[in-house]
Amino acid sequence: GAGVSQTPSNKVTEKGKYVELRCDPISGHTALYWYRQSLGQGPEFLIYFQGTGAADDSGLPNDRFFAVRPEGSVSTLKIQRTERGDSAVYLCASSRTSGTTGELFFGEGSRLTVL
Amino acid sequence: TQLLEQSPQFLSIQEGENLTVYCNSSSVFSSLQWYRQEPGEGPVLLVTVVTGGEVKKLKRLTFQFGDARKDSSLHITAAQPGDTGLYLCAGDLSGSRLTFGEGTQLTVNP
Repeated sequence: GAGVSQTPSNKVTEKGKYVELRCDPISGHTALYWYRQSLGQGPEFLIYFQGTGAADDSGLPNDRFFAVRPEGSVSTLKIQRTERGDSAVYLCASSRTSGTTGELFFGEGSRLTVL
Repeated sequence: TQLLEQSPQFLSIQEGENLTVYCNSSSVFSSLQWYRQEPGEGPVLLVTVVTGGEVKKLKRLTFQFGDARKDSSLHITAAQPGDTGLYLCAGDLSGSRLTFGEGTQLTVNP
């Protein structure tokens, strides 16, 4: 389809393991965002890419979290030494422009469960 | 500290009733957006408001941006079961990312 694609849709892992979550944005969208959403709450900002570079990574909770977008398209969110508190839905969004008056197009999210 | 406070957090009403959801902040936003999210899906944009005092209508939904650009409201007339979902307001403070409120979970019962 032409929307934002996220894989896997569900990931169950054990405490201490490493996980990667992938986001394939809408073709041509230069801005890409990662958010994290816990049950019953609004999305929490993690990181924003403009092209290949991280323009704002101030939302990453600690150094266990890292994200890349090497070719300015697909992005991978990497979580090391997962903890139970990392369990959440990780949402990716893309936008045609970098300004925040533009529409964010969200994927369906990757639900991460850390046992 | 939540930059955007939404109220009420939960709302359960009967089909045909009217309702208003509020989004408040102590900060001034250059723009504010409203999204609706259904279970298992990502949020979908409903509207963007930019100018203080602006009112936008989308069928039975009316959105208003406060004069001081610190608050917004969403009013739904004659709610229908299809309106059920999580309503999120999101504001731009930094120019680079949207900050979301915690959402209002609306349930419209037939």
